[in-house]
Amino acid sequence: EAQVTQNPRYLITVTGKKLTVTCSQNMNHEYMSWYRQDPGLGLRQIYYSMNVEVTDKGDVPEGYKVSRKEKRNFPLILESPSPNQTSLYFCASSLNRAGASSNEQFFGPGTRLTVL
Amino acid sequence: GNSVTQMEGPVTLSEEAFLTINCTYTATGYPSLFWYVQYPGEGLQLLLKATKADDKGSNKGFEATYRKETTSFHLEKGSVQVSDSAVYFCALSSGGSNYKLTFGKGTLLTVNP
Repeated sequence: EAQVTQNPRYLITVTGKKLTVTCSQNMNHEYMSWYRQDPGLGLRQIYYSMNVEVTDKGDVPEGYKVSRKEKRNFPLILESPSPNQTSLYFCASSLNRAGASSNEQFFGPGTRLTVL
Repeated sequence: GNSVTQMEGPVTLSEEAFLTINCTYTATGYPSLFWYVQYPGEGLQLLLKATKADDKGSNKGFEATYRKETTSFHLEKGSVQVSDSAVYFCALSSGGSNYKLTFGKGTLLTVNP
């Protein structure tokens, strides 16, 4: 089954304790992206990757890191989480080809993170 | 920059009622427009899309028409069901070097039997 998976689905942690949220897709998509969803703000892009070893900042990258060593995986790293990073996080992937702005982005099920 | 404005919720309807969720956008160039749906506890799923002016996207009884003159992409359904209860997001992508989706804030729809 074609899908985007994220782990963990739920995480409660404390300020300053490094954590990683994994994202994996099995559709051979080049493009991957991370969003955070907050009440009243909708979804905002954190980082994106057009292909392996190519990553760039989205709208709200502060406090986050990513890596893209393999095509299928795009982990989100919080080196020193803070309470304002409490949010619902979604990973998404899409094909990357000419005219691809119309491509469907496939979303993972979300990771609900609470930073105390 | 790009932006999407959609009607504030929540919207509560009775089964078989007519649904409209308004969406307007601001974008450079010729964006692609999307409606995504988020069911409780799940990720977002593409509901429908339109890639150029006057295109109509449709799926599961939902429709939306890309209106360039009014920069709108309103979602409609003639007869809603309880199973349509979800959060609906209007979004656009203007391509370029980042296929980022710019989302509206979402509209919570509750359909009562």
